[in-house]
Amino acid sequence: DAGVTQSPTHLIKTRGQHVTLRCSPISGHKSVSWYQQVLGQGPQFIFQYYEKEERGRGNFPDRFSARQFPNYSSELNVNALLLGDSALYLCASSLVVGLGSADTQYFGPGTRLTVL
Amino acid sequence: GEDVEQSLFLSVREGDSSVINCTYTDSSSTYLYWYKQEPGAGLQLLTYIFSNMDMKQDQRLTVLLNKKDKHLSLRIADTQTGDSAIYFCAAQDSNYQLIWGAGTKLIIKP
Repeated sequence: DAGVTQSPTHLIKTRGQHVTLRCSPISGHKSVSWYQQVLGQGPQFIFQYYEKEERGRGNFPDRFSARQFPNYSSELNVNALLLGDSALYLCASSLVVGLGSADTQYFGPGTRLTVL
Repeated sequence: GEDVEQSLFLSVREGDSSVINCTYTDSSSTYLYWYKQEPGAGLQLLTYIFSNMDMKQDQRLTVLLNKKDKHLSLRIADTQTGDSAIYFCAAQDSNYQLIWGAGTKLIIKP
């Protein structure tokens, strides 16, 4: 079975531009979470979606938005890019939310975003 | 809110055991996780433990949980060069979200 997939793998943008990152969860998983990982740090939670509804939002500005589609894939959008948005963006999927071990999150390889 | 802390580096000799430590602050955390990240790669789930357990063993990996002290450790037996990576501890908070440590870089000496 395919794991979590993300596209693109690498992206270079300039300040002020907009970016869309995509994620496909493991087949059968209904929850997708997005994380930002800056070099040398642990991941920071951005959003969690379950059954197409937002279940959680981290401490990120409104320039960050996301959605989940009927097939459970997800997009993360970032507007008005800043240099500080340069990071590895990770997507994770889990079977459900709030049911113990079934919450276990499996990660994709990430999208490396560089903002110049 | 939850805070998770780890030491930044651990250096061990090949063949020895590695012990990576983690502390967390939220006693209501139900699940605690260990993930491994190799250079340029995503996060690989290694193991997890439920908060009502003291220990979990999975092949070369042993997880110990001291809930009273809010201390979690990951022991890797017979450490090999392929174990070189950054190891992250993560705690699930009351909103089912993961709070992460900064990661421990495991360095293997020949």
